[in-house]
Amino acid sequence: DQQVKQNSPSLSVQEGRISILNCDYTNSMFDYFLWYKKYPAEGPTFLISISSIKDKNEDGRFTVFLNKSAKHLSLHIVPSQPGDSAVYFCAASVSDSWGKLQFGAGTQVVVTP
Amino acid sequence: GAGVSQSPSNKVTEKGKDVELRCDPISGHTALYWYRQSLGQGLEFLIYFQGNSAPDKSGLPSDRFSAERTGGSVSTLTIQRTQQEDSAVYLCASSLRSRGLGQPQHFGDGTRLSIL
Repeated sequence: DQQVKQNSPSLSVQEGRISILNCDYTNSMFDYFLWYKKYPAEGPTFLISISSIKDKNEDGRFTVFLNKSAKHLSLHIVPSQPGDSAVYFCAASVSDSWGKLQFGAGTQVVVTP
Repeated sequence: GAGVSQSPSNKVTEKGKDVELRCDPISGHTALYWYRQSLGQGLEFLIYFQGNSAPDKSGLPSDRFSAERTGGSVSTLTIQRTQQEDSAVYLCASSLRSRGLGQPQHFGDGTRLSIL
């Protein structure tokens, strides 16, 4: 069963605008969430994470929001840049377990000039 | 280099052959994970190692898959009698620790395995 879902397979956004990527999860035991970015033929690169004790975490142009009651998180990228064009994966884990990550299927972001 | 290193980067083999994939984690990282990504899919957890504890093999899809981690560092994922459905990108990741407060996992570039 797919415990982490990214329902938008692709997103196109204009350079300078905000990119909003969404992720839903079903397992209420998840308490640690991460976003990864992946370029073709490379491994995923860690972007930002959030613990369930917070509802927002910000790092430069990237902000992750967590809504535990809705089991929903989102990643905001502002302003979007052409180098942000990549596949973005949402992942979740139960931090009191051994940390294995459950991944969503990914969202392909294309930033146009 | 300072990152997770995987070899080979590409492997093409015939159905029924055995393959070995290698992972060198980041120095000092005690936790090591294997995932695979099939075409158009997200990453699927396979197995992880944490220090000297018994590995969690719960994600291995069949008994044709096995993995070892020697000396708490390098890991080898072995697939015996390969099948076409084993074709995927196999990714290795490592982290400082895996229990308690979350620690991000850092990934290698993967091994692209193609079974003919």
